[in-house]
Amino acid sequence: NAGVTQTPKFRVLKTGQSMTLLCAQDMNHEYMYWYRQDPGMGLRLIHYSVGEGTTAKGEVPDGYNVSRLKKQNFLLGLESAAPSQTSVYFCASRPDGIYGYTFGSGTRLTVV
Amino acid sequence: SQQGEEDPQALSIQEGENATMNCSYKTSINNLQWYRQNSGRGLVHLILIRSNEREKHSGRLRVTLDTSKKSSSLLITASRAADTASYFCATLNFGNEKLTFGTGTRLTIIP
Repeated sequence: NAGVTQTPKFRVLKTGQSMTLLCAQDMNHEYMYWYRQDPGMGLRLIHYSVGEGTTAKGEVPDGYNVSRLKKQNFLLGLESAAPSQTSVYFCASRPDGIYGYTFGSGTRLTVV
Repeated sequence: SQQGEEDPQALSIQEGENATMNCSYKTSINNLQWYRQNSGRGLVHLILIRSNEREKHSGRLRVTLDTSKKSSSLLITASRAADTASYFCATLNFGNEKLTFGTGTRLTIIP
């Protein structure tokens, strides 16, 4: 049982490049989330999904897009990377009901 | 915007002592959760307390919730070096599907 798997773990991008972060969960969870973590700011929600085929904006969605074509996968895309998007990105999931989140181990992204 | 704010921001104690962290929040909640994050790792769910509960225990952890004061505390008893980590509170509001996290308390256990 792998839980939540994020790929890649590390990435360096040049300003203006694009990339996709992949989150995969094998727990049949309905809800999935993308957060970013910056020093001194805790975790901020980027986008989330309440089920396959659905997405919604979080607190800081600008510059990001997401897709949830399959229940087990939640993709986060950066269309044109900016230095302000340098951060650690975490994916999380949870089942329907009142439960805690299961987090992935994170993707450390640097935009130069 | 942050919903939860942890206090203190950093805490250092001797191994074997108890550690207490506090969390304050702003709006009515459905439940409050505590997470641990070891350096360079993802967050791990520790405990969830619902708005109609006042206290909850899990092993060496004790969480209290005071909805009238909009505050919660996490007590770790008999601390160990392995408890060194950052601890975050997170709140879920009614009618909402997403957690809002605080900025965390960095706990250091001195052997």
